[in-house]
Amino acid sequence: GNSVTQMEGPVTLSEEAFLTINCTYTATGYPSLFWYVQYPGEGLQLLLKATKADDKGSNKGFEATYRKETTSFHLEKGSVQVSDSAVYFCALSERTGGFKTIFGAGTRLFVKA
Amino acid sequence: GAGVSQTPSNKVTEKGKYVELRCDPISGHTALYWYRQSLGQGPEFLIYFQGTGAADDSGLPNDRFFAVRPEGSVSTLKIQRTERGDSAVYLCASSLTGLAGGTDTQYFGPGTRLTVL
Repeated sequence: GNSVTQMEGPVTLSEEAFLTINCTYTATGYPSLFWYVQYPGEGLQLLLKATKADDKGSNKGFEATYRKETTSFHLEKGSVQVSDSAVYFCALSERTGGFKTIFGAGTRLFVKA
Repeated sequence: GAGVSQTPSNKVTEKGKYVELRCDPISGHTALYWYRQSLGQGPEFLIYFQGTGAADDSGLPNDRFFAVRPEGSVSTLKIQRTERGDSAVYLCASSLTGLAGGTDTQYFGPGTRLTVL
């Protein structure tokens, strides 16, 4: 079945460091890809998405490019802030009766001042 | 406007008991999803409603789990004969149509933390 694999955390960075969180997926069709973020004490929220190959999703300085050839959707940010500390989930949406979303296990990011 | 709300926020029950978890989606959203999130894991899909009907219930782990959405708005997830392994955070999400090529943004509620003793 379809699945999402993302790098294990926690990832600890200093403020202004470059961030990469790797995500690869397995899918039989052409899914849409997402990154969700869960800040401490808050609910899950969509960070960015890409719906077809070579699309780049971006938001709040984060970006990820849908790479069909490598089945990847790595999350990057050029300069992280303490406020980016959260858990990040990579996900794909596949068509069944409608569309359901499959999530990775999550990667916890700690950013130190 | 109001987001997705879930009640109760916490539920503690004893093994073997029956529980109901409620989800109020964003008004006007036709699609509603239930997920289960265990500690340290990502959300795991349970069931998806399009209007009143369950379009995909393939994620329900067994027949102790059941969900309804009788009027196409509020949904209730029902768990019979609870087991300790059912302890998790149960998340509800809604989206406008659920059918827009899978690109429809899902808005998540805060979750219900279920603890089965």
